[in-house]
Amino acid sequence: QVQLKQSGPGLVQPSQSLSITCTVSGFSLTSYGVHWVRQSPGKGLEWLGVIWRGGSTDYNAAFMSRLSITKDNSKSQVFFKMNSLQADDTAIYYCAKEGVADYFDYWGQGTTLTVSS
Amino acid sequence: DIQMTQSPASLSASVGETVTITCRASENIYSYLAWYQQKQGKSPQLLVYNAKTLAEGVPSRFSGSGSGTQFSLKINSLQPEDFGSYYCQHHYGTPLTFGAGTKLELK
Repeated sequence: QVQLKQSGPGLVQPSQSLSITCTVSGFSLTSYGVHWVRQSPGKGLEWLGVIWRGGSTDYNAAFMSRLSITKDNSKSQVFFKMNSLQADDTAIYYCAKEGVADYFDYWGQGTTLTVSS
Repeated sequence: DIQMTQSPASLSASVGETVTITCRASENIYSYLAWYQQKQGKSPQLLVYNAKTLAEGVPSRFSGSGSGTQFSLKINSLQPEDFGSYYCQHHYGTPLTFGAGTKLELK
């Protein structure tokens, strides 16, 4: 069955970077895109970006300068990196499989990030 | 960016009742609207896409409707497992945006 499993740190200091790996199973990264979404009490659910099945990416303009999404199809892994973190980046970060048309039919378990010194 | 306005922000209801949540888009998104349910401490789960198509495994007491800028999610005969938060999301191209959510609580 389809699964997305996330790994990454829970605590990062201000100005540092966040790296999360999303390892998928039950589908191929050459057939479906993987999106990244975050959730915080203050801002709700925010779409961050996507890596499409062909390898191209789209990013939320608000994060474009400090966000990178890459993947390794052979390892079924998607890599998320966000730089220059600040306290308001504290949130739960999710990877999610795209459905047929830009909705999310399966989600990872979430990575809870706290940005604090 | 397309703004999604969801209402009400919170809703109290009893088991067996019928409730409706609405979502309004700031521009025409045709039928590119999805609904998610989220329970405390869990990831969101897809309920409806393309405004009215139920996701696999979703009970038939859930129904979605609407097109253009006005959409709704109706839950008939609420069950105990239906309480949680609900979010709409347009899927009419990036950037994708969500509504602020509706918290459905047990009365």
